[in-house]
Amino acid sequence: ELKVEQNPLFLSMQEGKNYTIYCNYSTTSDRLYWYRQDPGKSLESLFVLLSNGAVKQEGRLMASLDTKARLSTLHITAAVHDLSATYFCAVDGNYGQNFVFGPGTRLSVLP
Amino acid sequence: DSGVTQTPKHLITATGQRVTLRCSPRSGDLSVYWYQQSLDQGLQFLIHYYNGEERAKGNILERFSAQQFPDLHSELNLSSLELGDSALYFCASSVGSPISGGLYNEQFFGPGTRLTVL
Repeated sequence: ELKVEQNPLFLSMQEGKNYTIYCNYSTTSDRLYWYRQDPGKSLESLFVLLSNGAVKQEGRLMASLDTKARLSTLHITAAVHDLSATYFCAVDGNYGQNFVFGPGTRLSVLP
Repeated sequence: DSGVTQTPKHLITATGQRVTLRCSPRSGDLSVYWYQQSLDQGLQFLIHYYNGEERAKGNILERFSAQQFPDLHSELNLSSLELGDSALYFCASSVGSPISGGLYNEQFFGPGTRLTVL
């Protein structure tokens, strides 16, 4: 059974600081997705990582994938308040039939 | 706006009742996924349909059922509702087939239906 873990689950950080969210998964996969969810809202796709060593960047967020370690990271650079949200990673473990989300990391960026 | 639509946005009903949630996928997407999100359970995968056929089941209760119609819209039916069924229900769509992968399986989420069972 595919399991996806994230840490930390809660993260409070100050504006201007850097931090990394980790996503670990239990079985072989080379397809990993990151989503953002604002409170009470839907999920928005951020990154799609499709191979070992893949790196994607958008603004202050950068995601990477290490399939050998079964690990993806979401790095936040010089955080701003607008980045406050819950971030989910999701792993596509079995040709799209087994799409498993992590528990989410709730990020609060304080002024 | 992801292009996925869900109706209704809010639904308030009583225990024991039955409700139907509706989802229209993005134009061209053949896969529809249903998820339940509650405070204590996180985001739970319920069921996946591809081009009208059920392809995968997750933690879906027997009181819940779904179908995808020829025009590709999908409905999630919840019956004998209990207080614990109160949650946000999301539908997502992707273009991919069950054997495709990668970019084709990127899921786009609808705005959700907030169900409150009193």
